[in-house]
Amino acid sequence: EIVLTQSPGTLSLSPGEKATLSCRASQSFSSTFLAWYQQKPGQAPRLLIHGASTRATGIPERFSGSGSGTDFTLTVSRLEPEDFAVYYCHQYGSAPYTFGQGTKLAIK
Amino acid sequence: EAQLLESGGGLVQPGGSLRLSCAASGFFFERNDMNWVRQSPGKGLEWVSGISALGGYTYYAVSVKARFTISRDNSKNTLYLQMNNLEADDTALYYCARGRPIDFWGQGALVTVSS
Repeated sequence: EIVLTQSPGTLSLSPGEKATLSCRASQSFSSTFLAWYQQKPGQAPRLLIHGASTRATGIPERFSGSGSGTDFTLTVSRLEPEDFAVYYCHQYGSAPYTFGQGTKLAIK
Repeated sequence: EAQLLESGGGLVQPGGSLRLSCAASGFFFERNDMNWVRQSPGKGLEWVSGISALGGYTYYAVSVKARFTISRDNSKNTLYLQMNNLEADDTALYYCARGRPIDFWGQGALVTVSS
């Protein structure tokens, strides 16, 4: 099983700042199968990025993904108020598929 | 418009069984892999199980293998999760989720395992 470890657990920033979220895997896998999700309280998750770097339909350009092998990153270039939420990485290339434990992006 | 509507959640005693259903509409159900993902109260997401578009392949998280069974009926556009020998740690909101990667989620069905 591929274990995904996200850091930091909580990231406190102000609107307009840049956010960098990390996802590290216990073993290397193809970046084709790495996704990022955003979840707000009381809502189902929303797909942001798939294939490590491809934005899903309707996702603003301020969201970008990168990485390969065991290290992946989600970057939000300039935080908007609606971006404060919990973010999860997810690998779907090797069953059992797994999620990271999440990073909470909090308003400073 | 795509919709996933879960049903079958509820309160069950430890060791009991429950079957979740997920009715899909608004998209070609038979062309999509499907998944169950759960979220315990205040916790993160846990992928539980997945099934290929035609049902020939099924996958499970280690924590539920041999207790849960995923299945689908493409003629009814419905996904199922049979959960047996339930434990307190299975208490969660269970999401039905489309695709690989998951690109669409239902609103979830709450399962509570408690005596």
